[in-house]
Amino acid sequence: QKEVEQNSGPLSVPEGAIASLNCTYSDRGSQSFFWYRQYSGKSPELIMFIYSNGDKEDGRFTAQLNKASQYVSLLIRDSQPSDSATYLCAVIVKNRDDKIIFGKGTRLHILP
Amino acid sequence: GAVVSQHPSRVICKSGTSVKIECRSLDFQATTMFWYRQFPKQSLMLMATSNEGSKATYEQGVEKDKFLINHASLTLSTLTVTSAHPEDSSFYICSAREGGGTQYFGPGTRLLVL
Repeated sequence: QKEVEQNSGPLSVPEGAIASLNCTYSDRGSQSFFWYRQYSGKSPELIMFIYSNGDKEDGRFTAQLNKASQYVSLLIRDSQPSDSATYLCAVIVKNRDDKIIFGKGTRLHILP
Repeated sequence: GAVVSQHPSRVICKSGTSVKIECRSLDFQATTMFWYRQFPKQSLMLMATSNEGSKATYEQGVEKDKFLINHASLTLSTLTVTSAHPEDSSFYICSAREGGGTQYFGPGTRLLVL
């Protein structure tokens, strides 16, 4: 099993709808989880981090963490064309010397 | 969020030459910095972990003698691509970890080896 798994997409969502991005991880001991956004040709940009079970909201973004299911998700409300990008899930993995391990990313396309 | 800079943003060099890329954390001290490489339409690939004052740890398959990493201070790490070849052309991105564990990325350096 890969350490951090994401569906590569593309995920197409109509403008104004909710985009839901999902990620699973294999190390049950992981404590810290991150979502990055990467536009084509640019470096990743941190959107949110979450450490505790439950939801964390920041503007149009909500991160959800379920440690029992080893699942973390990112919801984007009122999707805008500018949200079209690749979203990377990242997890600090204890048994890898606390390295941040990135998923391969999900390409999100917001349809105008 | 924290700011990480990289220089240069873009470099073109001849095959066989060496290229140095600098990565700086501007508003925090980073005991650990990371170097990634990304080819077009592919995911980030971690090359090495750079620890201040000690030798870098390289990922499997990354040649340490070709990709020299120096982390001389808590705010600066450098990556030198030695004897660059066209297959080394890529997007090189550094990131720095701040005390709480969050990693911030630099803007990246696009290397083209002719």
